[in-house]
Amino acid sequence: KNEVEQSPQNLTAQEGEFITINCSYSVGISALHWLQQHPGGGIVSLFMLSSGKKKHGRLIATINIQEKHSSLHITASHPRDSAVYICAVSRGSNYKLTFGKGTLLTVNP
Amino acid sequence: EPEVTQTPSHQVTQMGQEVILRCVPISNHLYFYWYRQILGQKVEFLVSFYNNEISEKSEIFDDQFSVERPDGSNFTLKIRSTKLEDSAMYFCASSGQPRETQYFGPGTRLLVL
Repeated sequence: KNEVEQSPQNLTAQEGEFITINCSYSVGISALHWLQQHPGGGIVSLFMLSSGKKKHGRLIATINIQEKHSSLHITASHPRDSAVYICAVSRGSNYKLTFGKGTLLTVNP
Repeated sequence: EPEVTQTPSHQVTQMGQEVILRCVPISNHLYFYWYRQILGQKVEFLVSFYNNEISEKSEIFDDQFSVERPDGSNFTLKIRSTKLEDSAMYFCASSGQPRETQYFGPGTRLLVL
């Protein structure tokens, strides 16, 4: 069983729709990360959170530690949001990241 | 804005050859990481490095791999004798403290023929 599970694997939306991507993890963590990977391959960190909720622009990330679950929401989605969104967890003293398989989001105009 | 840089962006090599992938982390960062992503698969941790030594390594990071911080700015990953299965995108990342966000470089795409 993977330590980090994401759903859905693929998501297609129309511009303007509200998007939710889910992440579940099976072990105790120090922090949960949401990252974005564009077609060229580069990885950008969006959020790092260990409790509650964080917001940046149209992106919102929440985490429920008791349920070992996190969600990434995108409000008013736009074609430029099309990318792979990756959930990762860090634990232990070195904070190495353990990654999920990613969710491929396509937002159509 | 400071960023992590990696060179080369692409490298093609023959099986059995040595390759060195280079990274320049953000200048005041102290924690460095290498990850790799085989095409179509998830990103995997290879090694973390702090205070001039390896702090943790994965099962993938066998004797064929080594890391070095030869000067105050570069952080390198060496693969001594490349195998076909080493073909992947290799990402360097750095952070100021382990509890802080990791910043990723653009990656080096390695193809072993």
